[in-house]
Amino acid sequence: KAGVTQTPRYLIKTRGQQVTLSCSPISGHRSVSWYQQTPGQGLQFLFEYFSETQRNKGNFPGRFSGRQFSNSRSEMNVSTLELGDSALYLCASSLLAPQGPDTQYFGPGTRLTVL
Amino acid sequence: KQEVTQIPAALSVPEGENLVLNCSFTDSAIYNLQWFRQDPGKGLTSLLLIQSSQREQTSGRLNASLDKSSGRSTLYIAASQPGDSATYLCAVLLIKAAGNKLTFGGGTRVLVKP
Repeated sequence: KAGVTQTPRYLIKTRGQQVTLSCSPISGHRSVSWYQQTPGQGLQFLFEYFSETQRNKGNFPGRFSGRQFSNSRSEMNVSTLELGDSALYLCASSLLAPQGPDTQYFGPGTRLTVL
Repeated sequence: KQEVTQIPAALSVPEGENLVLNCSFTDSAIYNLQWFRQDPGKGLTSLLLIQSSQREQTSGRLNASLDKSSGRSTLYIAASQPGDSATYLCAVLLIKAAGNKLTFGGGTRVLVKP
């Protein structure tokens, strides 16, 4: 089975722009979670989707949004980029309902740099 | 609010030595605890998952223990190899009516010297 895939792998944007990141979960997985990883804050939960519905949301501003499609693929959007949004964005999928109790499988991440 | 702490933040050992990585959490009402490995610039790879009713899990040279009452988990890696060099993260899952939440520790960066 193919693992979780994320595109693009690397992205460079300038302040004020917006960006869309994509995540394809493992086939059959319906739950997709997004995380932001920075050296200072570590791994922080952004939001989670299950069956096209946002089931849980972390403590991030409204500039961060997402959606999930009927095939379970998910996109994350960040508008009006700030320098502090530079991070590794990780997507994870799991088989059962929101955030487990099944194991989460992570993708390789998208490295976003905001100049 | 659940807080997860990993100490030490970094560890350097000679090849062959056993590794002991610690994880502590403040809310003992966890559903499960998971250990991950992360190589530089890469995603996370799940190593072991311990359900709250379990005391330990083993996979090859890896053994993870869980003591819910004291809010601690320990990951043991026997006979370390240079290929074990990576950052190791623990994460705890809380199941709540308001939504489940997976909280990560800050990680322990491990260097195994040949």
